[in-house]
Amino acid sequence: QSALTQPASVSGSPGQSITISCTGARSDVGGYNFVSWYQQHPGKAPKLLIYEVTNRPSGVSNRFSGSKSGNTASLTISGLQAEDEADYYCSSYTGASTYVFGTGTKVTVL
Amino acid sequence: QVQLQESGPGLVKPSETLSLTCTVSGYSISSGYYWGWVRQPPGKGLEWIGSISHSGSTYYNPSLKSRVAISLDTSKNQFSLKLHSVTAADTAVYYCARPRDFWSSDAFDIWGQGTMVTVSS
Repeated sequence: QSALTQPASVSGSPGQSITISCTGARSDVGGYNFVSWYQQHPGKAPKLLIYEVTNRPSGVSNRFSGSKSGNTASLTISGLQAEDEADYYCSSYTGASTYVFGTGTKVTVL
Repeated sequence: QVQLQESGPGLVKPSETLSLTCTVSGYSISSGYYWGWVRQPPGKGLEWIGSISHSGSTYYNPSLKSRVAISLDTSKNQFSLKLHSVTAADTAVYYCARPRDFWSSDAFDIWGQGTMVTVSS
């Protein structure tokens, strides 16, 4: 079970939009609409941002949006803010009630 | 308000068994949901360890399956993780978590604060 591939780092200026990719295979990202995204600040537990590819839990800013095309899922953060500086992880169902996380992306707000 | 809290030894010797407990408050674990464990080595990414349903069905990361066991203790409203034959590579922060959906083990939206476990002699 290999980790999903994410870019190690993405950066942007305040107010800009950035997109983080999450590449897997047909056996995970491409095969199911169970992709989630998490935000993690240093020393803190992850926070769920997106579930089932595009859905936001209650209380999550609409500046966060998710999408998927083929074997690659994406998280877009619009109107980038200083508080968005954190690590971001994707996760996907891989069948038989098992899951895999992505390698993680560090977002830097310039 | 549902809360999860991990507990257990912070130091485990190589080749021994890592044992952690997650105490759940605000919800009876026998009533529903799946309950999961995730770990994060220092400076590295998240790794899904496994989940257990409220009825006791277990699901494990294939790469850990031969060494891991997750169980429920409904009398104490706790669920536990055991990882056998540990090595330094098992040094990590271990989180317990609950998914957002009653019927699925996908998308953890409630997390414990995490507990650091170091494997060292």
